[in-house]
Amino acid sequence: TQTVSQSDAHVTVFEGDSVELRCNYSYGGSIYLSWYIQHHGHGLQFLLKYYSGNPVVQGVNGFEAEFSKSDSSFHLRKASVHWSDSAVYFCAVSAAGTGSNRLTFGKGTKFSLIP
Amino acid sequence: NAGVIQTPRHKVTGKGQEATLWCEPISGHSAVFWYRQTIVQGLEFLTYFRNQAPIDDSGMPKERFSAQMPNQSHSTLKIQSTQPQDSAVYLCASSLDTYEQYFGPGTRLTVL
Repeated sequence: TQTVSQSDAHVTVFEGDSVELRCNYSYGGSIYLSWYIQHHGHGLQFLLKYYSGNPVVQGVNGFEAEFSKSDSSFHLRKASVHWSDSAVYFCAVSAAGTGSNRLTFGKGTKFSLIP
Repeated sequence: NAGVIQTPRHKVTGKGQEATLWCEPISGHSAVFWYRQTIVQGLEFLTYFRNQAPIDDSGMPKERFSAQMPNQSHSTLKIQSTQPQDSAVYLCASSLDTYEQYFGPGTRLTVL
């Protein structure tokens, strides 16, 4: 069984600052990792994914994430945040090769900017 | 491309009534997923269809919940005898049967 942990329930920074949202997972086999964003009152929107290859993956709107097998992590980063980035961010995992593409989500990190 | 369509967006039922939620996946997508979102439990997987066939329903409550996909253009989630603890946002997602899923706006179910 795979599990996902997002240690920060809430992150707040100034516009233009950089940000890192943390995600750690637990699973013994091959795993597919992704990040989704949810703006208030909307469904989830896919940001980026990783399965193999270059551990740094680029997503939409300047987001990137880095996979670390040794740390069991897949942290999301952005160099300079904008007001429109305010949302809840979910890290998700899926166990590869099980025949099911179901996603297991973390509890989410609410990201907001200091006015 | 209209994206995943879910109807209704909001539904209020009385305790013990039935609720049927509808999902229209993105045209051409072969997989449909249902998730439930609450403040306390977060996002929970319910069930998953591939080419209209049920593949994984391990997240479905054993009683009162059922899901169907009678054709490639829609799926339904039915909750019989709704209870207050069923109150949640029910999210439908579709995909080309990959891990990249496209979510609808959700149906907010409130059971009084």
